[in-house]
Amino acid sequence: EVQLVESGGDLVQPGGSLRLSCAASGFTFSSYWMYWVRQAPGKGLVWVSRIKSDGSVTEYADSVRGRFTISRDNAKNTLHLQMNSLRVEDTAVYYCASVRPGHWGQGTLVTVSS
Amino acid sequence: QAVVTQEPSLTVSPGGTVTLTCGSSIGAVTSGHHPFWFQQKPGQAPSTLIFDTNNKFSWTPARFSGSLLGGKAALTLSGAQPEDEADYYCLLSYSGAVVFGGGTQLTVL
Repeated sequence: EVQLVESGGDLVQPGGSLRLSCAASGFTFSSYWMYWVRQAPGKGLVWVSRIKSDGSVTEYADSVRGRFTISRDNAKNTLHLQMNSLRVEDTAVYYCASVRPGHWGQGTLVTVSS
Repeated sequence: QAVVTQEPSLTVSPGGTVTLTCGSSIGAVTSGHHPFWFQQKPGQAPSTLIFDTNNKFSWTPARFSGSLLGGKAALTLSGAQPEDEADYYCLLSYSGAVVFGGGTQLTVL
């Protein structure tokens, strides 16, 4: 059974940092690009970042470039998102996804508020 | 970054057919944009329905199909069921980025 399990979501003050993790199992994690996608309360899906299968290429949405860093550990089948300089508008459920094989996690909630 | 546009809302009768579209602000959508379609029901994570314009996953109901139509990506639902009421999102790939559409809220009524 394929599983993507996110963790690390929390309440954090503006300007703070969080590190999200996504543990993958049940498919060949190291073969696929991995994505972070977020959804603010009552809003649509927004792409945040993605990383190539071997970690050699990373891409970011304009809204997070320079503040967020995506990384992966293929030996541990784990995806990470380091989020710095968090803003109120970063508040959302963050999903990890392996888009091409069609797999999504259940999401982890990040709340940025004072 | 490009803006990807979808109909904000559509309504289809049970058993009816509806087509959702996905356009790009910087030109016609082609197979090179690798269109994906996702379904999201309230309180649930998204589920992927279609990849690379018209390819289905093993879990994709046969009544859903993808295509290119009039310079846009399209998702057609033939024989709508009550359980198809959901939000639908498309995703297009560009150089260095991917962009989701704003989503279509589909009502089966």
